[in-house]
This record gives sequence, structure tokens and C-alpha cells, in this order.
Amino acid sequence: QKEVEQDPGPLSVPEGAIVSLNCTYSNSAFQYFMWYRQYSRKGPELLMYTYSSGNKEDGRFTAQVDKSSKYISLFIRDSQPSDSATYLCAMNRDDKIIFGKGTRLHILP
Amino acid sequence: ETGVTQTPRHLVMGMTNKKSLKCEQHLGHNAMYWYKQSAKKPLELMFVYNFKEQTENNSVPSRFSPECPNSSHLFLHLHTLQPEDSALYLCASSPRRQGGQYFGPGTRLTVT
Repeated sequence: QKEVEQDPGPLSVPEGAIVSLNCTYSNSAFQYFMWYRQYSRKGPELLMYTYSSGNKEDGRFTAQVDKSSKYISLFIRDSQPSDSATYLCAMNRDDKIIFGKGTRLHILP
Repeated sequence: ETGVTQTPRHLVMGMTNKKSLKCEQHLGHNAMYWYKQSAKKPLELMFVYNFKEQTENNSVPSRFSPECPNSSHLFLHLHTLQPEDSALYLCASSPRRQGGQYFGPGTRLTVT
């Protein structure tokens, strides 16, 4: 079993819809959970960063962590065409940092 | 300059060349990282520096040699690379070893 699993997509949704992106992981020692957005030919951009189980909201973005199920989610409300990108989940403990493969998201105008 | 900068943005080199990638962070962070991003693969952590000291070498071949002269600068020296080393090389920094990281735009490397 891979340490981090993320569906590569592509995921296509109409503009204005709520987007749900997810990752599962196997190592219960992970403590920090991140979501990054990466546009084509750019470096990843940190969107959300959480430490504990629960929800964290920032504008249209909500990150959710369920440590008991080893499952993290990123929700995007009122999706815009500019949200079209690849979304990477990541998690770490000490210097061990693991990224998911990324989900390609297309928001259709 | 703000954030994390990387130069050059694109590099084409032969297998016998020696080149260096440069990264600079203007965020006052203490940790810096090199990553390799290949098509259809997750980001691969290569090296970690914390307060200029290397704390992680993720089984990277010796043809990649990092250097961290201070907390703001990071280099990746390249020599006798292979075509399979062609990838996007990303530098990142963070306030501490754990948690979110801030990435540069990357250097697109092509080895011919």
C-alpha cells in the first residue's frame, strides 16, 4: 500500500460547483497535512496547512482532516475557471515529507 | 525580489557537462529543500537543510551535490547526469522542518 493515495483525475466540474479533492494515507505518524495548487509550468503554491483533525477554512477553501480514517479533503466553494490546476496533498513528520501524485482539476466555464 | 527564486529557469546540458542550479529565499526561513518533479510521479524530496546543516539525503545519486552556504541560499551542483534526470527541479523553504513549504518556480532541466 502506498503511503499517500490521490486520484490523478482529471476532474471536470462546472463553474460555481463545489469541488471535493481527497487523499488517503497509511502512516498514522503523519502530523502535518498540506494542500498545494500547481499551475502548469509553475512551482506548487501552499493553499492550506493543518495540524490536527477537524476543519480549517480560508476564503473559498476548506481543509478537512480525519486522522481516525487517515483521510484528508480539500473543498473549493464557488469554483472558478482560475481554480483549474493540479492539486497536491502532502503530509509530514519530522523530515519525512510525502506528496500525493496530484489531482488535475478543470473548471468548465 | 520576494518569495523563493530559482535560476536558471531552463537548462539544457549534455551528459558530460557540469552545471549548478541556484535557489534564494527572501522569507527568513530556516529550512530549505530540493525536490525533483517528473511527469506522472509524485514530488520526490532530494535534500533537506535546516539552519545550513543537511538533515536529509533521500538516497540521491552522487551526481547531484547540494550546497547551502547560508540559510538564504541553496545550490544543486550537477555533473555527468543521465537523460532520466531530466525533470523539473524545485527549491522550497519553510520556517521550520515541519508544516507548509514555499516553492520556487523551478528549473526545467533537460539532459541530452
